[in-house]
Amino acid sequence: KQEVTQIPAALSVPEGENLVLNCSFTDSAIYNLQWFRQDPGKGLTSLLLIQSSQREQTSGRLNASLDKSSGRSTLYIAASQPGDSATYLCAVRLGGSNYKLTFGKGTLLTVNP
Amino acid sequence: GAGVSQSPSNKVTEKGKDVELRCDPISGHTALYWYRQRLGQGLEFLIYFQGNSAPDKSGLPSDRFSAERTGESVSTLTIQRTQQEDSAVYLCASSETQGIQYFGPGTRLLVL
Repeated sequence: KQEVTQIPAALSVPEGENLVLNCSFTDSAIYNLQWFRQDPGKGLTSLLLIQSSQREQTSGRLNASLDKSSGRSTLYIAASQPGDSATYLCAVRLGGSNYKLTFGKGTLLTVNP
Repeated sequence: GAGVSQSPSNKVTEKGKDVELRCDPISGHTALYWYRQRLGQGLEFLIYFQGNSAPDKSGLPSDRFSAERTGESVSTLTIQRTQQEDSAVYLCASSETQGIQYFGPGTRLLVL
């Protein structure tokens, strides 16, 4: 059974810092990995999706990497801003016809002005 | 609308009552998913609909839970005889066939 772990559970940083969120998964036979942002009352917003054949994806100040063999992904946020405060979720989708996403419990990020 | 919508946004009910949650997917999305997020837990997959295929109900936690979908449009998740452990945020997502899943804002259910 696929298990996804996110470390740390919570992180508080001053504005402007660069930071890294970690995600690990137990079954490396994944189809893709996705990072989401969850804001209270607003559901999930997809940030980056990395296919199993890719090593990283970038969008603005966000960079996500994937090391499938070691079962790890990181989300790097550059020059953090208070508006980045949210819960960040990592989710993996297994290969084949399996469409289910398995989520970690998330990292609660607070960026202090 | 442009995104997935869910109603109600909040629901408070008494233990033992039935509740019905609604999801309107993005137009044209053939796949629809329901997830549950209990306090302090990760999202749990509940059920998946794809076109006219039989739904994958493997994530439903008990026979008190059921879901229906009309064609490729609205879906309803029904919880019968609610229990306090059913309290959670219920999230719906839709996608093109096996594409990126887009999530709705969720329904926050509280069972007293």
